[in-house]
Amino acid sequence: AQSVTQLDSQVPVFEEAPVELRCNYSSSVSVYLFWYVQYPNQGLQLLLKYLSGSTLVESINGFEAEFNKSQTSFHLRKPSVHISDTAEYFCAVIPLNNQGGKLIFGQGTELSVKP
Amino acid sequence: DAGITQSPRHKVTETGTPVTLRCHQTENHRYMYWYRQDPGHGLRLIHYSYGVKDTDKGEVSDGYSVSRSKTEDFLLTLESATSSQTSVYFCAISGTDKNTEAFFGQGTRLTVV
Repeated sequence: AQSVTQLDSQVPVFEEAPVELRCNYSSSVSVYLFWYVQYPNQGLQLLLKYLSGSTLVESINGFEAEFNKSQTSFHLRKPSVHISDTAEYFCAVIPLNNQGGKLIFGQGTELSVKP
Repeated sequence: DAGITQSPRHKVTETGTPVTLRCHQTENHRYMYWYRQDPGHGLRLIHYSYGVKDTDKGEVSDGYSVSRSKTEDFLLTLESATSSQTSVYFCAISGTDKNTEAFFGQGTRLTVV
């Protein structure tokens, strides 16, 4: 069975500081990898994804994530955070032998950016 | 924004009563999903649909049923609500079977008292 572990449930950080949100997965087959963001009282939005090719993927708002197959990780990073990045972040995978594209989510990490 | 509407957005119901949540999409996407979100668990799949009248169970399907009589509507029913079903419910849609970009609704906060 596949699983996703987000190692930190809460990450407090000061504005303009760098941040890393950690994600590890377990799967016996290849996977697609995703990061979703949830702002307060809203649904989830896709932040970035890794399907194939370059292991470093970037979002339009400065986040990046690197797929590390040997460590089965997909950590999310941003060199300088803003107050507006305060949200909950979910790492997710889709195993490639998965019928129907069912996302398997981690537990979520609450990023709290303080002034 | 993808055209997904969940209704109601908030509901309080009593234990033992039936409850139906609705997800309506205007994107003509084939795949639709119901997830529940609980602290410490992230989102877990309840049921999904891969076409009209084609549905299958997810990880936490006990106590829930679904129906999809039209492409645009996916209904989630709690036959007899229990307090353990207090949660936030999200509908999602996808146009591909690999779900490489899912779109989520705004969520329904359900409280069972």
